[in-house]
Amino acid sequence: AQSVTQLDSHVSVSEGTPVLLRCNYSSSYSPSLFWYVQHPNKGLQLLLKYTSAATLVKGINGFEAEFKKSETSFHLTKPSAHMSDAAEYFCVVRNAGKSTFGDGTTLTVKP
Amino acid sequence: SQTIHQWPATLVQPVGSPLSLECTVEGTSNPNLYWYRQAAGRGLQLLFYSVGIGQISSEVPQNLSASRPQDRQFILSSKKLLLSDSGFYLCAWSAQGNPREQFFGPGTRLTVL
Repeated sequence: AQSVTQLDSHVSVSEGTPVLLRCNYSSSYSPSLFWYVQHPNKGLQLLLKYTSAATLVKGINGFEAEFKKSETSFHLTKPSAHMSDAAEYFCVVRNAGKSTFGDGTTLTVKP
Repeated sequence: SQTIHQWPATLVQPVGSPLSLECTVEGTSNPNLYWYRQAAGRGLQLLFYSVGIGQISSEVPQNLSASRPQDRQFILSSKKLLLSDSGFYLCAWSAQGNPREQFFGPGTRLTVL
């Protein structure tokens, strides 16, 4: 069995300040981990993925995430938020062909 | 390059009416195909997945069904819609050789009144 917990349902930051979206997971085996972004009424876009290579993963739009096995975490960060980053973000754990999605974190960026 | 299409983009249907949502993938062959539903403020729930033509696995019991009449076509259907079927439906595909990564379509927003 596997599960994903996104620790914050809403995160609000000011433009130009750092972003931290937290994700913890549980999985019986070594999983693949993903972060997706969803803008209103749009499909999901892959931000980045971890598939047992480097533990620090760089994605699109300046986002990165660090896989920490000891903490079972895969937090998403960005040094400086932009207004266009306002969206919903999903952490996903995938193993044996099955994906489990977190409930999502809504990121609000204030001017 | 591969692309995935869904239509319609939005749909408003009365309770008890039938439903047919279509998903097609271009630029790849023999993909794994998935239907997800996203309720408001929630993560995604896997409804169906398919590893080949005519092969459908259902993840949760529900009012919906899926079919895969062609290699790159995946259809989500219902004979009679319920209010609880409202939501955002996403189709996704993954390569047979790399099932770990999924690519999502633009989604269909279904409102049942």
